[in-house]
Amino acid sequence: DAEITQSPRHKITETGRQVTLACHQTWNHNNMFWYRQDLGHGLRLIHYSYGVQDTNKGEVSDGYSVSRSNTEDLPLTLESAASSQTSVYFCASSSGGAGVGKTQYFGPGTRLLVL
Amino acid sequence: AQKITQTQPGMFVQEKEAVTLDCTYDTSDPSYGLFWYKQPSSGEMIFLIYQGSYDQQNATEGRYSLNFQKARKSANLVISASQLGDSAMYFCAMREGGSGGGADGLTFGKGTHLIIQP
Repeated sequence: DAEITQSPRHKITETGRQVTLACHQTWNHNNMFWYRQDLGHGLRLIHYSYGVQDTNKGEVSDGYSVSRSNTEDLPLTLESAASSQTSVYFCASSSGGAGVGKTQYFGPGTRLLVL
Repeated sequence: AQKITQTQPGMFVQEKEAVTLDCTYDTSDPSYGLFWYKQPSSGEMIFLIYQGSYDQQNATEGRYSLNFQKARKSANLVISASQLGDSAMYFCAMREGGSGGGADGLTFGKGTHLIIQP
């Protein structure tokens, strides 16, 4: 069965360190997204990609970067981790093409604690 | 201004009763889609139901239905015959058509924590 996986599922790091969160999907979806979830804020979009070599900034992109070298993977990098980036991170994917009805399917999430 | 508003932070409902979770949205885009997701205590985000802005009929998926009132900009989720397993956070989300052609991310509400009591 097609799926979307994230690793690690839990991560503890120190402020100032670079951290990379992995996202891998086997849906063969063109569109991939990263969100963060914080209490009282719901989910907020960090970055997204429409396909290989394409990346775009979302609502809360400062301090984060992504790269898309193949269809299956969209790693999220925290360049210099800050305590404000302690959060739960979700990766999602959807099929490509136009239309607002493309359902996004989510990975299980990564809990990141920055000390 | 918030694009998605969920006014019920928490709800307690008796098992087997119907539940309505409120969602209002704000957009000037004529093309948009509305989604509901369930997040149980285990943390995963589970897609429940979708309604497009041009859809003439309310969406239904099993025990879930969406009460779509376009003029009032509301998209309430209705769960019929609630079960203990329905206890979870529920999020309303929207994607606007805009110039991105529908491939942009979702805008989420802050969620409603639903607890089903036996």
